[in-house]
This record gives sequence, structure tokens and C-alpha cells, in this order.
Amino acid sequence: AQKITQTQPGMFVQEKEAVTLDCTYDTSDPSYGLFWYKQPSSGEMIFLIYQGSYDQQNATEGRYSLNFQKARKSANLVISASQLGDSAMYFCAMRGRIQGAQKLVFGQGTRLTINP
Amino acid sequence: GAGVSQSPRYKVAKRGQDVALRCDPISGHVSLFWYQQALGQGPEFLTYFQNEAQLDKSGLPSDRFFAERPEGSVSTLKIQRTQQEDSAVYLCASSLASREIQFFGPGTRLTVL
Repeated sequence: AQKITQTQPGMFVQEKEAVTLDCTYDTSDPSYGLFWYKQPSSGEMIFLIYQGSYDQQNATEGRYSLNFQKARKSANLVISASQLGDSAMYFCAMRGRIQGAQKLVFGQGTRLTINP
Repeated sequence: GAGVSQSPRYKVAKRGQDVALRCDPISGHVSLFWYQQALGQGPEFLTYFQNEAQLDKSGLPSDRFFAERPEGSVSTLKIQRTQQEDSAVYLCASSLASREIQFFGPGTRLTVL
């Protein structure tokens, strides 16, 4: 079975600082994908970034980067130069290639609060 | 529309009532997913469609839950004889193909009294 663990229920960061949100995963699939989604108070899940397990380089999308350490089974999200609008719930998710090949398995989430 | 839309956004039902939740995926998206998100939790998979075919319904919690996508576009999640434990946000997502990025709608918040 696939499992995602997010150990930080809440994070508080000053505006303009960088922040790292932790995510560890467990799977027996040899090939898999890792995702981060943002969920503001409005409720919609917004896709941020994707990392494939065989990708040679860590994924980056603007201010978002994914620190992928395969041996440690971690896929931490790094947000640089945080903004007030970054305050939201953040979910790490994975999708296997074999087991449950299409569905996403989500972690419990981390609530990020950016202070002015 | 440009994104996934869901209706209604909010639904209050009395215990025992039947409810129907609608999802309009992004035009041209073949794959459609339903997830259930309890308060303070991450979303959990319910069911998956590829076009009109329901290929995975392993996450449906009971036979009171039923989903359909008869023409391969709009989908409806139906919950019969609602129970208090059905209270949650129901999220719909669509993707161009099964292994592509899933884009989510705003969700329907269901409250069962």
C-alpha cells in the first residue's frame, strides 16, 4: 500500500522567508509520481508541482521547488520568498504506477501561515 | 468553462435523505475522479472513470454511494439514505488522461443533520 506522511500540522513563517514543508512516503511501486497541492480556505485544490521517481533533477515551478531524496523517501516542498497569499493548507500526494495506478493518495496536510 | 465545476457548493441534508452531487470536468478530459475529504484530513479516493467506464470504485465506503458518468463528460455522485458520517467535502478532479495532472473543482460541502 502507498502512504504519505506529513509530520507538521502547522507552520508559521515570516513574509519573504523561505519555508520547507516535509513529506515522506512509502510505496512498493518501482515507479511513482509525487505531487504537491495547495488548498486555500476557498476549498479548491490547486496543483503546484510534480516529481517523477525517475526524474534526474528536482522539479521547480517558479517559487516552488521539490527537494526529492529518493533513498530517504522524502519529497519536501520548498517555497522561496513567501508571500501572504501562500497561507493555506498544503498536501503532499503520490500516485503509483502499478498499485492504484490512477488515484492519488494524500497526506494529512500542513497548514502554513505567513505572518506580515 | 476553464476549470472543473461542481454543484451545489453546499448541501444540507437530513439523515436518511438522498443527495446528488454534480461534477463538470474540464472539456476534453478523459479521466474523472471523486474524492472525499473529512474535516481536517486529506482527500481520500472514492472512484475513477475513464470516459463513461467506471474503472475503479474501490474507495466507495458503502453500497449507499453510487457514481455515474453516462456520456463520458458530466458525472454525478449519489448518496442514498445519508448518514451523519457522510458529512464531508466531496471533491471532483479531471485529467487529460489517467496519468496526467489532476485538476480539482471547488468541492461540495455536504452536511448531514
